[in-house]
Amino acid sequence: KQEVTQIPAALSVPEGENLVLNCSFTDSAIYNLQWFRQDPGKGLTSLLLIQSSQREQTSGRLNASLDKSSGRSTLYIAASQPGDSATYLCATNSGGSNYKLTFGKGTLLTVNP
Amino acid sequence: NAGVTQTPKFRVLKTGQSMTLLCAQDMNHEYMYWYRQDPGMGLRLIHYSVGEGTTAKGEVPDGYNVSRLKKQNFLLGLESAAPSQTSVYFCASKFGGGSYEQYFGPGTRLTVT
Repeated sequence: KQEVTQIPAALSVPEGENLVLNCSFTDSAIYNLQWFRQDPGKGLTSLLLIQSSQREQTSGRLNASLDKSSGRSTLYIAASQPGDSATYLCATNSGGSNYKLTFGKGTLLTVNP
Repeated sequence: NAGVTQTPKFRVLKTGQSMTLLCAQDMNHEYMYWYRQDPGMGLRLIHYSVGEGTTAKGEVPDGYNVSRLKKQNFLLGLESAAPSQTSVYFCASKFGGGSYEQYFGPGTRLTVT
C-alpha cells in the first residue's frame, strides 16, 4: 500500500527566501506525482504534475523534482511571497493504479512579510 | 468553463438524516472522485467512477453510496448520517487514466450533530 509523507508539517519563512518542501513515498512503481496548493477553506489547485519518466517540472517560480528510485519529490519555491502562504500537498498513484491518488497530509507554509 | 462545481457548500444534518451531494464537471472528464478531508487524516478516497454508469469503492466507502448516471455528474449519498461523517467533502475529476491532472471542486462542509 502506497504511503506518502510530507515533512515538515509546517514551515514559516521570511518573504524573499527560497524554500524546499519535501515529499516521500514508499512504493516507487508510480505513474506520476502531482503537487497541489490548498488555501484555507478552499479546494485543491494543481500546481505541477511530473510523469514517472521525468526528473523535474517547472512553472514560474515553482520547480518540482522527482527521484523515483529513492521515493522522493521536492517542490522548490523561489523568492517566496506572502501570497504563497497555503498548504501544499503531494499525491502519487496508489495500488498500481494510474488513476487513483494517495495524498500526503501536506505542509502548511507561512511566508511572513 | 466552470470546472468542477459542488452543491451545497455547507450543510448541517442531524444524526440519521439523509442527503445527497452533487458534483458536476463541464470538462468532459471520464473519471470522477469523492474524497473526504479530516484534520490529521489528510484526503481519503471514498468512491470513484471511471466512466458513465460505473462506480467503485475507495479507501473509506462505508456509509456512503454513489451514482454516475450522466458523465458530467457524480452524486454522493449519505443514507443515515452519523457524527463520524462530519467532514469536508471534495469532488475531483480527471480526463482519463495515465498522466492527467486531477481537478478539484471547492468542497462541501458537512456537520452531523
